[in-house]
Amino acid sequence: KAGVTQTPRYLIKTRGQQVTLSCSPISGHRSVSWYQQTPGQGLQFLFEYFSETQRNKGNFPGRFSGRQFSNSRSEMNVSTLELGDSALYLCASSWNRDRGYEQYFGPGTRLTVT
Amino acid sequence: QKEVEQNSGPLSVPEGAIASLNCTYSDRGSQSFFWYRQYSGKSPELIMSIYSNGDKEDGRFTAQLNKASQYVSLLIRDSQPSDSATYLCAVNIYESGGSNYKLTFGKGTLLTVNP
Repeated sequence: KAGVTQTPRYLIKTRGQQVTLSCSPISGHRSVSWYQQTPGQGLQFLFEYFSETQRNKGNFPGRFSGRQFSNSRSEMNVSTLELGDSALYLCASSWNRDRGYEQYFGPGTRLTVT
Repeated sequence: QKEVEQNSGPLSVPEGAIASLNCTYSDRGSQSFFWYRQYSGKSPELIMSIYSNGDKEDGRFTAQLNKASQYVSLLIRDSQPSDSATYLCAVNIYESGGSNYKLTFGKGTLLTVNP
């Protein structure tokens, strides 16, 4: 079974631009969560989507948004990029969103904002 | 804010030794606990999940959970240089006021296994 895939793997953008990242979950998985990872803050939860609906959201500004499609693929968008948005963006999928669910991560998208 | 705490390390052990990684969490209602391994430059990989008090063994890995003490640990027996990585503890934390659970991560412990 194929794992979680993310595209693109690397991205360089300038301040003020916007970016869209894509995530395809493991086949059959319906929940997709997004995380930001930086050396200083560690792994921080952005949001979770299940059945095309945002079910939970972390403490990030409204510049960070996402969506999920009917095939469970998900995208996240960051508008008006800031230098501090440079990070590894990870998506993780799980079969369900029961409280015991195990999440499996994709390889991540490394975003650099200059 | 509900938190997950880990010693940042680095933790250094000789090859063949037992590595012990510890994690505490603040939400007494948490029910699901996970250990992820992250090699430098890679994404986290799920290596253990545990839901009940006690020990759970998988090969060289043993996860231990004590809900009363709000403590979860990971033991790695016969440590190998290939085990050198950052180990992340993750806890499913209940968001009050709704039915939402959020996977909350500690900042990780860097383990180095010396040949």
